[in-house]
Amino acid sequence: GAGVSQSPSNKVTEKGKDVELRCDPISGHTALYWYRQSLGQGLEFLIYFQGNSAPDKSGLPSDRFSAERTGGSVSTLTIQRTQQEDSAVYLCASSLATVSGANVLTFGAGSRLTVL
Amino acid sequence: DAKTTQPNSMESNEEEPVHLPCNHSTISGTDYIHWYRQLPSQGPEYVIHGLTSNVNNRMASLAIAEDRKSSTLILHRATLRDAAVYYCILRDVSPDYKLSFGAGTTVTVRA
Repeated sequence: GAGVSQSPSNKVTEKGKDVELRCDPISGHTALYWYRQSLGQGLEFLIYFQGNSAPDKSGLPSDRFSAERTGGSVSTLTIQRTQQEDSAVYLCASSLATVSGANVLTFGAGSRLTVL
Repeated sequence: DAKTTQPNSMESNEEEPVHLPCNHSTISGTDYIHWYRQLPSQGPEYVIHGLTSNVNNRMASLAIAEDRKSSTLILHRATLRDAAVYYCILRDVSPDYKLSFGAGTTVTVRA
């Protein structure tokens, strides 16, 4: 695609429900990143994929968070048993493989999650 | 991973230049310096990047110190649309296991 596409753009859910957030990166971008941004805060790194592999999952805030990537393309961030503190904008970015520091990150518009 | 340090905020008048500093004293020889900005209610967008030489593009200029331990993003004529949070980060050939952005510099442009 022309850019990084994220869906849904907005999601309102009730506390305790599970949610799935989707990221469709730019075609050919093997590196994919998830970030979380709470209101008025900076970008909190969650997880990085190189292809389908996420070498380090320690950035995920709790075991209620999981992420996967299939076919080296679409990634899904799943939050189980959502809590109010999970309310934030979840941003996805992609980049060509990190064989060069010159590769630029392209971000999606984000998925705004509100947990009531 | 290498770290960067930026001022929390800067103010400018419209039509005037803005110089945004970034310190990266632990930069390695293969680290590229990247700048991104985040407009209100949007995802971050790429601004400019460089390795050793100064760089210019339609959005901004990047001035890199000779020892590469600091850099400056220059917005030549600030407009109200340039009000955003500006992030300076380092990227190298190693996998980005934790690519952190820091708090960035919030730029306010006065009309």
